[in-house]
Amino acid sequence: KNEVEQSPQNLTAQEGEFITINCSYSVGISALHWLQQHPGGGIVSLFMLSSGKKKHGRLIATINIQEKHSSLHITASHPRDSAVYICAGINFGNEKLTFGTGTRLTIIP
Amino acid sequence: GAVVSQHPSWVICKSGTSVKIECRSLDFQATTMFWYRQFPKQSLMLMATSNEGSKATYEQGVEKDKFLINHASLTLSTLTVTSAHPEDSSFYICSARTSGRLQETQYFGPGTRLLVL
Repeated sequence: KNEVEQSPQNLTAQEGEFITINCSYSVGISALHWLQQHPGGGIVSLFMLSSGKKKHGRLIATINIQEKHSSLHITASHPRDSAVYICAGINFGNEKLTFGTGTRLTIIP
Repeated sequence: GAVVSQHPSWVICKSGTSVKIECRSLDFQATTMFWYRQFPKQSLMLMATSNEGSKATYEQGVEKDKFLINHASLTLSTLTVTSAHPEDSSFYICSARTSGRLQETQYFGPGTRLLVL
């Protein structure tokens, strides 16, 4: 069974801090989505990556295929970054998503 | 980026009634749409995969006769919760994929919150 594990489950930080959220996944996952879910429930896909590194604004996502590990970094964090961040693995072959449990991030002004 | 809409955004209904949720891709054609369910403080769970013009593929444990999915066009998929019961109260989210290429990005709808009284 494909699995995706995230850490930490909850993270509270001061505005401006550098944030790292980690995701480990099992064999059978070919790529990863990083998703952001706001309190209202809507989900935004931040990145999809199968190798290397991607950057968008203050967000950076990296993936190490050998170690089956991905990280999402937020630089110069801001209260509006407060949300649940979800790592979702794309299952090789059927492309279904296996979701991590999410990391609830709270940025304090 | 690609936009996916859902309607309604929330619905309250009485037990025993049926509820239809629409998922539309607004600016692209979606060959595949996915329906997810999320209970409070839990992760999303895939319910079914829907391809345009064919029957949906349901995940294990999801009753196909209770959760009817119709993907009639490349821009619209509907999920009908038949004879809804309080335990069906949940947050339902759809996503759409633009093509059949592997590892194509999924675009998520804003979700529909269902409360069954």
